[in-house]
Amino acid sequence: AQSVTQLDSQVPVFEEAPVELRCNYSSSVSVYLFWYVQYPNQGLQLLLKYLSGSTLVESINGFEAEFNKSQTSFHLRKPSVHISDTAEYFCAVMPTGANNLFFGTGTRLTVIP
Amino acid sequence: EAGVAQSPRYKIIEKRQSVAFWCNPISGHATLYWYQQILGQGPKLLIQFQNNGVVDDSQLPKDRFSAERLKGVDSTLKIQPAKLEDSAVYLCASSMRLDSSYNEQFFGPGTRLTVL
Repeated sequence: AQSVTQLDSQVPVFEEAPVELRCNYSSSVSVYLFWYVQYPNQGLQLLLKYLSGSTLVESINGFEAEFNKSQTSFHLRKPSVHISDTAEYFCAVMPTGANNLFFGTGTRLTVIP
Repeated sequence: EAGVAQSPRYKIIEKRQSVAFWCNPISGHATLYWYQQILGQGPKLLIQFQNNGVVDDSQLPKDRFSAERLKGVDSTLKIQPAKLEDSAVYLCASSMRLDSSYNEQFFGPGTRLTVL
């Protein structure tokens, strides 16, 4: 069975400050790891993913996440946030060889001007 | 390329009524998913189709929920009768195929259901 834990339900941060959104997972099989972003009244968009290879993955808008197998974590970071980053962020896992996504409960990031 | 389309975007009904949601996946995508996203929770998979066949419906409350994808393209999710706890956003997603390699899922904007 798989489970995803996002301990922080809400994270307020000032504009241009760094941010880290935490994600821990539990799985009895190997998994792929994902971060999705959901802007108000929109569907989920894939932000970045870890399938294999380098444990540090980056998105086109400055976010990065690092897969830590020993700590079963996949925390999301950005060194300097913008107002436009305000959204809900979901961490998810997918067992390798399957196509089912298991989501965490989400973290609402609010960037304060 | 057009994305996943869903309608309606919003629906308000009273408990015990029935409701249906429609999804049109990205053209050429063989696999279609329906997720339920209750407020404050992450999306949860309800049912997964490969073409017009059901791959996984283990989380679908079959006493009241049903879904079909008759021609392997559009899909309809129905709730009959609705309960208060069915209030949620229903997300549709599609991916190119279902096999052992990774296939990205693309999500629609969702249908927000409120049951009064």
